[in-house]
Amino acid sequence: KQEVTQIPAALSVPEGENLVLNCSFTDSAIYNLQWFRQDPGKGLTSLLLIQSSQREQTSGRLNASLDKSSGRSTLYIAASQPGDSATYLCAVRPGQAGTALIFGKGTTLSVSS
Amino acid sequence: DAGVTQSPTHLIKTRGQQVTLRCSPKSGHDTVSWYQQALGQGPQFIFQYYEEEERQRGNFPDRFSGHQFPNYSSELNVNALLLGDSALYLCASSLEDWVIGGYTFGSGTRLTVV
Repeated sequence: KQEVTQIPAALSVPEGENLVLNCSFTDSAIYNLQWFRQDPGKGLTSLLLIQSSQREQTSGRLNASLDKSSGRSTLYIAASQPGDSATYLCAVRPGQAGTALIFGKGTTLSVSS
Repeated sequence: DAGVTQSPTHLIKTRGQQVTLRCSPKSGHDTVSWYQQALGQGPQFIFQYYEEEERQRGNFPDRFSGHQFPNYSSELNVNALLLGDSALYLCASSLEDWVIGGYTFGSGTRLTVV
């Protein structure tokens, strides 16, 4: 059974810091991995989608890497800003039949000015 | 280009009642999935609809049912509401060619059961 774990559960940093959020999954047979942002009480905003054949994806100050063999992905945020404060969720799309995303519990990030 | 639209945004129901939540997928998407997110948890998969059929179902009781219409919009119905059904319900749309694409999520419906 695929399980997704995100560490740390919460993170507080001062503005301007570079930071890394971690995501691990137990079964390396995945089709892709997606990082989402969620503001309190709101829906999910897709940040980056990495296909299983890819090693990384970049969008602005965000960079996500994928090491499928070791079951790990990282989300790197450069020069953090208070507006980056949110919960970041990692989700994998399993390689078996079926298409449901399996989510971690998220990392709640707080960036202080 | 409109994203995923969900209605209503908030809802308060009494235990034992029934509720219907609605979702319109992103333009061009033909597959709709529903997720339940309890406070402090990641979203949990309820079911997915494609071509008006339930294609996959998560570990949820039969009190949770759904429907997809010819225009790809979808409804989630929950019968005999329990206090534990209080959660944020998220709708996500995608292309049937799911190997390639990702999911687009709506803003959710916050259901409170009292």
